[in-house]
Amino acid sequence: AQKITQTQPGMFVQEKEAVTLDCTYDTSDQSYGLFWYKQPSSGEMIFLIYQGSYDEQNATEGRYSLNFQKARKSANLVISASQLGDSAMYFCAMRGPTGANSKLTFGKGITLSVRP
Amino acid sequence: NAGVTQTPKFQVLKTGQSMTLQCAQDMNHEYMSWYRQDPGMGLRLIHYSVGAGITDQGEVPNGYNVSRSTTEDFPLRLLSAAPSQTSVYFCASGEQSTMMGQFFGPGTRLTVL
Repeated sequence: AQKITQTQPGMFVQEKEAVTLDCTYDTSDQSYGLFWYKQPSSGEMIFLIYQGSYDEQNATEGRYSLNFQKARKSANLVISASQLGDSAMYFCAMRGPTGANSKLTFGKGITLSVRP
Repeated sequence: NAGVTQTPKFQVLKTGQSMTLQCAQDMNHEYMSWYRQDPGMGLRLIHYSVGAGITDQGEVPNGYNVSRSTTEDFPLRLLSAAPSQTSVYFCASGEQSTMMGQFFGPGTRLTVL
């Protein structure tokens, strides 16, 4: 079974500073994918970044990067140069190998508030 | 492309009523799924499908039915609504053959009185 753990309480960051959102995972699969989604107050789920378990380099997408530490089973999201529009709920998720294990398992989310 | 569409956006039901939440995607994705989101619980998988004619249960399937007669559509049926089914429902689709992210619809906010 797959499990995602997000235990940080609500996070606060000053505008233009960097912030790290923590995510640890547990799985018995050798092949898996890790994802981060953003959910603003409007409610939609926005895909941010993906990391494959066999990817040797950390994924980056603009101001988002994923700090992937496989041995520690952690997949932290780093947001550089925070903006007011980054205030939202952030979910870490994982999926197993393709096929029947394509389903996503989500963590409970972290609320990020960016202060001007 | 419209992406993933869901109807209705809001719905209020009385206990015992039935209804169908509609989901459609125009990206020719094999994989489609339904999640419910409750405060403090993250998103939990209800049912999913890996192609037309193939469906399977997720983490919280009780009280819900699905079918997948076409690649594009994946409706979720509530057979006899209960207050415990008050939630926000998301439909998502993605390519099964790659390890990429799923695309989510805008959600349906359901209240069961």
